[in-house]
Parts: sequence; C-alpha cells; structure tokens
Amino acid sequence: NAGVTQTPKFQVLKTGQSMTLQCAQDMNHEYMSWYRQDPGMGLRLIHYSVGAGITDQGEVPNGYNVSRSTTEDFPLRLLSAAPSQTSVYFCASRSDESSYNEQFFGPGTRLTVL
Amino acid sequence: AQSVAQPEDQVNVAEGNPLTVKCTYSVSGNPYLFWYVQYPNRGLQFLLKYITGDNLVKGSYGFEAEFNKSQTSFHLKKPSALVSDSALYFCAVDNTDKLIFGTGTRLQVFP
Repeated sequence: NAGVTQTPKFQVLKTGQSMTLQCAQDMNHEYMSWYRQDPGMGLRLIHYSVGAGITDQGEVPNGYNVSRSTTEDFPLRLLSAAPSQTSVYFCASRSDESSYNEQFFGPGTRLTVL
Repeated sequence: AQSVAQPEDQVNVAEGNPLTVKCTYSVSGNPYLFWYVQYPNRGLQFLLKYITGDNLVKGSYGFEAEFNKSQTSFHLKKPSALVSDSALYFCAVDNTDKLIFGTGTRLQVFP
C-alpha cells in the first residue's frame, strides 16, 4: 500500500492563479480530509468528506473547493490564490466516519503564493 | 466548541530522562483524544489514542498518555527520552467527526 499520496510536493503560485492539489489513498478509506499547517497555529481543517459524493466544510473553508467523485481521490482546488494561502497542506484519511479511528496523513504540499 | 491547548511551545529534556508533553482539552460529552508526531518535512504519524476504559494508554515508540477527566488533560509521557524522539507533537480531540489539533509542542532531546 502506498497509503496517502499528495502531489505536488512544492508549488509556487502568483496571486490570482488557480491550481488543484491532488490527494489519493489506496486503503479504501471512506473518510478523507484536508488540513493546512501554519506556524504557531497547528493544523486546521479545511474540508472533509465522509464518502464519495459527500463533502462538508471545516474550520477554514473560504477560498477552497473540494469534490469527491471516487473513494480514492479528494482534490483540493484553489480558485484564485492569495498570499494568505501560503501554507503546508496535508491530506488525511481514515477507514470510516467513526471519530475514534486514527487518521493517516500524506507527506504534504508546500504552497507559496507570491 | 471543542478545543485543545498545548501550553508549551517547546520542551527540552536530556536523553535518558523522563519527558512529559502537556495537553488539556475542552469538549462537551466524551472525547476521543489523540497524539500525533511530526518529524521534519514529513506528514503526521499516529502515536496513540484514548477512547474509553483504562486512563493510561500505551502507544508507539514507548510513549504513553494519561487521561484525566477531572483535570481535562491528556499528557504524553515517556520514561526515558531518546534523541530520536525530537520532533513536533500534536494533541488532538475528535467528538463531532472533526479532528481539532492543538498548536503543537516541539520536543528537543539533548544528548
């Protein structure tokens, strides 16, 4: 199993550009989520999905869109990048929506918006 | 609203000494509590969790954590620290299908 994979590892954007961060998992997990990590703020939940076709907002959803057309993939879209979106982004998954199950994290995408 | 506090930005300890990384939480109902570790330039790795039952839970790499309901705490402990334990540690709580993280504590173990 590759676990949770993310691409790209690094990305530099100009303000106003759009891009999609890719996330995939091969563990047949129902639950997937996106977090951003900023210094001194820990990880904050952006969006999550409890299964294909179902998504919901987390703590900091503004400026981001998600979709879940398959169980394996959960892409994060930035429609018009802003410098405030400079961060490290992590995708995670867990087997189902049960809150007592631990999450598995990808290696992260480091995004810089100029 | 549920929240997690890690009051120490950094904890320094000598190799071989016991270590404690503190975590307190605020949540209505019964919490599910987690500890994750992040090594440099890596994603987070699960260490241990408390769901119910015994207040002392054991996890990976010799770490353990003590759940204290009256003090709403879930401190991470290890009897004898290793230099390789140096990393960023996150406490997290989940009881509404959303995992909420603390701000993290950097553990530095000196030889």
